[in-house]
Amino acid sequence: NAGVTQTPKFQVLKTGQSMTLQCAQDMNHNSMYWYRQDPGMGLRLIYYSASEGTTDKGEVPNGYNVSRLNKREFSLRLESAAPSQTSVYFCASSENLSGNTIYFGEGSWLTVV
Amino acid sequence: GENVEQHPSTLSVQEGDSAVIKCTYSDSASNYFPWYKQELGKRPQLIIDIRSNVGEKKDQRIAVTLNKTAKHFSLHITETQPEDSAVYFCAARDTGRRALTFGSGTRLQVQP
Repeated sequence: NAGVTQTPKFQVLKTGQSMTLQCAQDMNHNSMYWYRQDPGMGLRLIYYSASEGTTDKGEVPNGYNVSRLNKREFSLRLESAAPSQTSVYFCASSENLSGNTIYFGEGSWLTVV
Repeated sequence: GENVEQHPSTLSVQEGDSAVIKCTYSDSASNYFPWYKQELGKRPQLIIDIRSNVGEKKDQRIAVTLNKTAKHFSLHITETQPEDSAVYFCAARDTGRRALTFGSGTRLQVQP
């Protein structure tokens, strides 16, 4: 099992460009998440999906959109990238929302210039 | 929503000493408190968790304590080793969103 796989691992964008971060899990988990990690700020929740067909905003959703394509895949889209979105993005999944272990992907390093 | 504060932001100890990291949370209904370890350039990984019906949990050199009245929980690492050097995150489950809210992290450095 690969666990949680996200692509790309590294990306440089120009301000105003758009891109989509892809994420897939092979653990048959119901819940999936997107977090961003910035120095001194920990992991902040952008969006999450409790189950296939549902998505909800987290702490910092502005400037992002998500799609829960099916049970395995949960993508994060930046429509018009800004320098403030320079960060490390982690996709994660868990069996469900009720206190189970969250498994993280390896992270995507995004720089917006 | 939930707010989790974590202290200290950096911690340096000598090998063999103990390390303690403390977190407070705001949502009195929160009932799940995991701790994650993140090595440099790697993904965060769960090392221990505790639920609100338990006051303490141990796993070899690692222990977590929970004080629901005071709304704080702590990670204790005994007999620290250089491989314990990493960033540690506490988290609490937001009962509104039912997703985890993380603290800002503690960078632990174990000096050989």
